[in-house]
Amino acid sequence: DAGVIQSPRHEVTEMGQEVTLRCKPISGHNSLFWYRQTMMRGLELLIYFNNNVPIDDSGMPEDRFSAKMPNASFSTLKIQPSEPRDSAVYFCASSPNYGYTFGSGTRLTVV
Amino acid sequence: SQELEQSPQSLIVQEGKNLTINCTSSKTLYGLYWYKQKYGEGLIFLMMLQKGGEEKSHEKITAKLDEKKQQSSLHITASQPSHAGIYLCGADPTYSGGGADGLTFGKGTHLIIQP
Repeated sequence: DAGVIQSPRHEVTEMGQEVTLRCKPISGHNSLFWYRQTMMRGLELLIYFNNNVPIDDSGMPEDRFSAKMPNASFSTLKIQPSEPRDSAVYFCASSPNYGYTFGSGTRLTVV
Repeated sequence: SQELEQSPQSLIVQEGKNLTINCTSSKTLYGLYWYKQKYGEGLIFLMMLQKGGEEKSHEKITAKLDEKKQQSSLHITASQPSHAGIYLCGADPTYSGGGADGLTFGKGTHLIIQP
């Protein structure tokens, strides 16, 4: 099992650009979570899906953020337009309804 | 909403010494998860506790959930350089305890092991 796979590992972009983060969950896991980690706020839940359906997106900070899960093996988190305060490490995690497995994260820097 | 406070925020311990990290919740803990994060990497699952008074061990790491289910402690015996990293506690805010609705995390404890 390859675990939860996130890409890219690092992303540096200019303010105003669109950023897309990708996640491939573990096969058979029916829940997928997007988290953001910063020094100030720690690890925050942004949105989660159950069986590809978004269940709770109350953690998404602004309308600039959107997430999709078109199928059970792929999810994206998009920021458009990006701002410097979006700089953080973004984690994807998947779960078979009990316990989590996290990906290695995408470190996003917006300059 | 549930809040988790971890203490200490950072800890420097000499190799071979014991240490304890605490996680206190503002509400009852139905499922308490401990994770370890190496700098620049993802979170690695350590243990999950559900029952009041429950204690679990993995190698030299022991975690406990108090009887009232509002505090958990993580104890490392005879610390080694491999124990260095960030330790995070996460709580399931729902009765299920399984984390299916997302976990709330503490801000983490940074552990440094001095040789």
